[in-house]
Parts: sequence; C-alpha cells; structure tokens
Amino acid sequence: DTGVSQDPRHKITKRGQNVTFRCDPISEHNRLYWYRQTLGQGPEFLTYFQNEAQLEKSRLLSDRFSAERPKGSFSTLEIQRTEQGDSAMYLCASSLKLRELFFGEGSRLTVL
Amino acid sequence: AQSVAQPEDQVNVAEGNPLTVKCTYSVSGNPYLFWYVQYPNRGLQFLLKYITGDNLVKGSYGFEAEFNKSQTSFHLKKPSALVSDSALYFCAVIPMNRDDKIIFGKGTRLHILP
Repeated sequence: DTGVSQDPRHKITKRGQNVTFRCDPISEHNRLYWYRQTLGQGPEFLTYFQNEAQLEKSRLLSDRFSAERPKGSFSTLEIQRTEQGDSAMYLCASSLKLRELFFGEGSRLTVL
Repeated sequence: AQSVAQPEDQVNVAEGNPLTVKCTYSVSGNPYLFWYVQYPNRGLQFLLKYITGDNLVKGSYGFEAEFNKSQTSFHLKKPSALVSDSALYFCAVIPMNRDDKIIFGKGTRLHILP
C-alpha cells in the first residue's frame, strides 16, 4: 500500500496521559500536514512540514502539542497531559507541489 | 478573513436525480479550489480541483464542479445521483499567495434516497 498510513487508528486514554500518533506519508511527498477534525466540523489545520522543517503551527496547537518530522519522512504528533477537549480525529495528509492532499485514514482519540 | 462556506449542513436527493452541493469562498487573489469526500470513519478522498483554465472541472465518480469567479462559488454537481454517493463532502481552498495551508469548509452531508 503506497498511501498515507496512520497509527494507531484508535486510541482511548485517561485524562492527563500522553499520547503519540504516527504518520507515514507517500514516500516522494515532501509536504506533510496534521489536521484535527471534530464531529460535524471540517478539518482544522494544526501544523505543516516541508521536508523536516516545521513551517507553520496553528494557534489551535497549544504547548501540550508537539509534532516532529525528524528525517523528512514519517511524522509524529504528541499530546501531553491530554484533556477531554482533545478528543477528535487527527488526520495526516501529504502532498507535492501540485497542492492536492492525500489523506490517511485518521487516528481517533478518545480522552476519558 | 479567508474562509470557505458550505451553506447547507445536509442535502437530500432522490436516486437518479441531479445533485448540487454548494460552496462559496472568500480569499484574496485567485484561489485554488478542491472538493473532498469522506465516508464514515475514513479519511478524506480527493474528488477534483480547479487551478486554472476551463471553469467546468470533471472529477472522480462522475462528479464535476463549476468555478464562478463573479459569484465566488465552486458548486459540486452530478447529473444522476447514486445511493453510494451518500457521504460527507468538503469544499477546500488555497489562497493563491499561500500554497501551504488548505482551508476546509465545515462539510455538507449528502443523503441519496433510494
């Protein structure tokens, strides 16, 4: 499968715990995006990488959120001290310069 | 502020009838425009895009969209709806001077009635 893959697909955690999501983009894509989607809403931009450089972070991304793309390939999104409001679907997407995004299946987080 | 509006939360269409899902945008300059579809518990799938050229763009699964600059709209259409078209549809835009951040609308749920 040469599409965007995300892991885990589902994560249930208790409030205050840390969670980490991984995204493997399409191999030749240099851009990688993280979005968050809550029920009834469209995807909200969180952050964006071009190769290994994190070029933009949304104001939605509090200090508890950190994302990395250490070698310009896969990316991780970590949420520290999770809160119930963090419950959402976290979507990863990759692209080349033509700006069409290819999305993974998403990682659904439930914070109890 | 730059934004995308999908004025309808839900659209119901009988199978075999034509369908339209509306989208309007507010961005500076000429935008790049997209439609994506999302099935339950899945990621978004690309349907079609407008970059430049012919205002009528054809995409996957028989969908098409028409770019109307004067009305700042990019409505999604299909001549004959299928039950399998039932899903959540998102319009998205990239302002021409910002090729890094894609802005999504809140989505329109399409129900095709058999």
